[in-house]
Amino acid sequence: EAQVTQNPRYLITVTGKKLTVTCSQNMNHEYMSWYRQDPGLGLRQIYYSMNVEVTDKGDVPEGYKVSRKEKRNFPLILESPSPNQTSLYFCASSSLGTEYPNPYGYTFGSGTRLTVV
Amino acid sequence: DQQVKQNSPSLSVQEGRISILNCDYTNSMFDYFLWYKKYPAEGPTFLISISSIKDKNEDGRFTVFLNKSAKHLSLHIVPSQPGDSAVYFCAASYTGGFKTIFGAGTRLFVKA
Repeated sequence: EAQVTQNPRYLITVTGKKLTVTCSQNMNHEYMSWYRQDPGLGLRQIYYSMNVEVTDKGDVPEGYKVSRKEKRNFPLILESPSPNQTSLYFCASSSLGTEYPNPYGYTFGSGTRLTVV
Repeated sequence: DQQVKQNSPSLSVQEGRISILNCDYTNSMFDYFLWYKKYPAEGPTFLISISSIKDKNEDGRFTVFLNKSAKHLSLHIVPSQPGDSAVYFCAASYTGGFKTIFGAGTRLFVKA
């Protein structure tokens, strides 16, 4: 089954303790992206990657890091989490094909609910 | 400043009637628009899209209308069904931009 898999689904952590949220896709997609969803703000893009070793900032990158060492994986790293990073996080992927945007949109993972206390 | 706005946080519709969800955008560079549907505890799923060279795109019960001069798009669901109850996100992007901007979402309730 074609899918984007995020882990963990739920995570409660303390301020300052480094954490990684993993994301993996099995569709051989070039493009991957991380979003956070907050009430009243919708989905805001954190980082995206157009291929292996190619990453770029989205609209809210502060406090986050990413890496793209393999095509299928795109982990989100919070080096020193703070309470304002409490949110629902989504990983998404898409093929680039001959042009962007993909007319069939993104495939999203099921989300990771992160609470930082 | 939000470039994609969904001004109605929620909408309630009777089963069988039409649901109309609205979206406004400010960036004239946007040339591709998408609607996603999201159920609780799941990720958003792609529903329908439209390119700026068109003013209408239809897929079964779902139709998206684009008014470029007004920078406005809408999603029509006819007839509405209880299973359509979900949060609907409007999104916009532009060719070569490699970013997709989402609105805040509208929660649709379809009453049986």
